[in-house]
Amino acid sequence: DTAVSQTPKYLVTQMGNDKSIKCEQNLGHDTMYWYKQDSKKFLKIMFSYNNKELIINETVPNRFSPKSPDKAHLNLHINSLELGDSAVYFCASSQLGTSYEQYFGPGTRLTVT
Amino acid sequence: SQQGEEDPQALSIQEGENATMNCSYKTSINNLQWYRQNSGRGLVHLILIRSNEREKHSGRLRVTLDTSKKSSSLLITASRAADTASYFCATVRVNNNDMRFGAGTRLTVKP
Repeated sequence: DTAVSQTPKYLVTQMGNDKSIKCEQNLGHDTMYWYKQDSKKFLKIMFSYNNKELIINETVPNRFSPKSPDKAHLNLHINSLELGDSAVYFCASSQLGTSYEQYFGPGTRLTVT
Repeated sequence: SQQGEEDPQALSIQEGENATMNCSYKTSINNLQWYRQNSGRGLVHLILIRSNEREKHSGRLRVTLDTSKKSSSLLITASRAADTASYFCATVRVNNNDMRFGAGTRLTVKP
């Protein structure tokens, strides 16, 4: 019964490759997020989807594209991976209007070589 | 951009002592939250305090909020080795649902 799950947990790939990270939540929340945590532990929001619509799109390279097939899923596609993309990526979900509390997934550690 | 800034960046104490972490922010907020992150894990919500509240308690946690100074503090009383983790404050701005995190405080509780 994991509330927010991500796959894979670890991802090692070479520069220039395209990869995807999947996220699923079973909490019935209407909003999902992607965050990037760098090596200094700074946590920065990348995207937010509410009811399958993008409501936050921070200044991230357009090589990153979120895709939400339904309210329970928000996947992150990354094209032409670069060394600087190495980080831990966290998915989270919340129910806006009811609670601002966010539930986080376990993270995906991406290493680009 | 980062909204909150925590201090200290790192804190090391003995079991049984109290730990206090501070957070400052820049814009008007709807609420402020504290999260905990164990090494290699996702963040876990600890406590939320609304802009019209000044103090909140949850078990061994005590959070204060001073909106005039745009600051908050998290106090963990009678700390345990299991409290060792990074603690982040996060702010939700007025009329905006996105949440901005600070850089975190790394707390080490020695047994």
